Amino acid sequence: DGGITQSPKYLFRKEGQNVTLSCEQNLNHDAMYWYRQDPGQGLRLIYYSQIVNDFQKGDIAEGYSVSREKKESFPLTVTSAQKNPTAFYLCASSSLAGVNEQYFGPGTRLTVT
Amino acid sequence: AQSVAQPEDQVNVAEGNPLTVKCTYSVSGNPYLFWYVQYPNRGLQFLLKYITGDNLVKGSYGFEAEFNKSQTSFHLKKPSALVSDSALYFCAVREDSSYKLIFGSGTRLLVRP
Repeated sequence: DGGITQSPKYLFRKEGQNVTLSCEQNLNHDAMYWYRQDPGQGLRLIYYSQIVNDFQKGDIAEGYSVSREKKESFPLTVTSAQKNPTAFYLCASSSLAGVNEQYFGPGTRLTVT
Repeated sequence: AQSVAQPEDQVNVAEGNPLTVKCTYSVSGNPYLFWYVQYPNRGLQFLLKYITGDNLVKGSYGFEAEFNKSQTSFHLKKPSALVSDSALYFCAVREDSSYKLIFGSGTRLLVRP
């Protein structure tokens, strides 16, 4: 899982509560990404950031928010507006020079009941 | 719009036999193609990528992939499968005008002893 850490590994929340997932990287990568993984659907992009203090919506941003105050950190908040938040969440980072692969963290499995 | 298709939900192969996991793509510009592997409850691990040049790309753990522009395919191959290769495999594509990866739905590889 390279130099990307996600915490916690498992997270349980009650419906209606906001929850923040942590993602930290020590790879000195400029770009960071958040994906959601559901069975049979592959990975879908939630948000991405190419530089500090800037980020863009991905394909399924509704009900999520992010911040990028530091190069190494890209936390994701799952808000109560997200209709179906139970999923496996993956954070990734990449260098922007050339065509570089994304490195993934170990993931956080969020269960909302 | 760019897209990736992995037509097989699961591939079964006996240990020692060659394996192929299929991937086809659709992009309007030059494709950058990636293969990742995911073990249960883990993040994705990068296997290999195609940017330009030789159509046969060699990657980690003995895997290779063949880029075919006329068939818009990027199939993952390995000459001799191991039981430890059993995992979920994702193909992804990126256009040269974007930093976003589009993932296929994944193919589960099961290598039986």
